[in-house]
Amino acid sequence: DGGITQSPKYLFRKEGQNVTLSCEQNLNHDAMYWYRQDPGQGLRLIYYSQIVNDFQKGDIAEGYSVSREKKESFPLTVTSAQKNPTAFYLCASSGSLFEAFFGQGTRLTVV
Amino acid sequence: DQQVKQNSPSLSVQEGRISILNCDYTNSMFDYFLWYKKYPAEGPTFLISISSIKDKNEDGRFTVFLNKSAKHLSLHIVPSQPGDSAVYFCAATPASQGNLIFGKGTKLSVKP
Repeated sequence: DGGITQSPKYLFRKEGQNVTLSCEQNLNHDAMYWYRQDPGQGLRLIYYSQIVNDFQKGDIAEGYSVSREKKESFPLTVTSAQKNPTAFYLCASSGSLFEAFFGQGTRLTVV
Repeated sequence: DQQVKQNSPSLSVQEGRISILNCDYTNSMFDYFLWYKKYPAEGPTFLISISSIKDKNEDGRFTVFLNKSAKHLSLHIVPSQPGDSAVYFCAATPASQGNLIFGKGTKLSVKP
């Protein structure tokens, strides 16, 4: 089945550690996105990539990094510089139309 | 500054009645609008979209209306069902960029 897969579903991180969230899609979509959801904040764009080996910062990119070495994959690293990383992270992809397909999300908790 | 605004954080409707969810935007470059539905701890799922060249798009029980002069769109659900209870996000994009800008969402509760 075609779709977009995020892993892991739950992730715990100690303060000061970097963690990487995985996002893989087999929809042959060019564009991929990372969003963060906090209670009452909606979905805020962290990074997006329109094509392999290229990506742009979204509204809240500080403390995050990404790579787009393959069309299918768009991993997000939450670095120790991110001051408030506990949140629900959503990855999405879209093709020539603008409808984005989302993964099931990763809940990151700093302990 | 929010470019996409959903000013009602929640809405409660009786089963069988109409649900109307509203969304306002400020960026005149937006020319494609989408609605997503989200259940807790899941990713949003696409519901319906509308291009700025239209003022209405209908898909079953869901209709989206666009008023460009007012920079306002609304999602109508008729008749509402308990399974429609979820958070609904409005999103917009300038077609030249392709990245979606989301509102904060409206939590819809449909009571039996």
